[in-house]
Amino acid sequence: EPEVTQTPSHQVTQMGQEVILRCVPISNHLYFYWYRQILGQKVEFLVSFYNNEISEKSEIFDDQFSVERPDGSNFTLKIRSTKLEDSAMYFCASRGTGGNYNEQFFGPGTRLTVL
Amino acid sequence: KQEVTQIPAALSVPEGENLVLNCSFTDSAIYNLQWFRQDPGKGLTSLLLIQSSQREQTSGRLNASLDKSSGRSTLYIAASQPGDSATYLCAARTRVLTQGGSEKLVFGKGTKLTVNP
Repeated sequence: EPEVTQTPSHQVTQMGQEVILRCVPISNHLYFYWYRQILGQKVEFLVSFYNNEISEKSEIFDDQFSVERPDGSNFTLKIRSTKLEDSAMYFCASRGTGGNYNEQFFGPGTRLTVL
Repeated sequence: KQEVTQIPAALSVPEGENLVLNCSFTDSAIYNLQWFRQDPGKGLTSLLLIQSSQREQTSGRLNASLDKSSGRSTLYIAASQPGDSATYLCAARTRVLTQGGSEKLVFGKGTKLTVNP
């Protein structure tokens, strides 16, 4: 069964460093998302991406964040200058289009630890 | 602004019991509602999705219902098993009238289910 994959599974970085989290969505999906979950808190929406542009973003998704689909298979989240409060589990998700293709499928997540 | 609440935060039951998990949402103009399972330190596994026009969906031992007027959804698990132990999350996708619907899912905090052998 097709699935969303994410790399790395765990990333440790120093405060102020740039990190790139990578995702490979399900191959025929066209909508892509990033969510995050701070330990013990709710899963929060960050951004949605369709047709090579951001379709929606939350207040969390400020200028420190950016997304990109550099090729036909990868979808990335970049944090330019990490802060301690960026430590969280980051989930990528994707969905198809048309008909009943409203279900969002999530990857296993990347645990980001900012020291 | 949509808010999703799940009560109880934790539930412990003996194996074999039928159980109901509750989810409430503040904005009844939802596009769909999705139930997920999350194992400790793991990703989210989609269990069921209910469209706004549907009243319920079934998958195996799971049945999810939706009552938009009261702002509630329930997940019914029949004949629970120890392997069902996990955190169950519900998430609402809100309809924006000028578009086909907001893309974002708004999540509840989840109900942590423990099924004891």
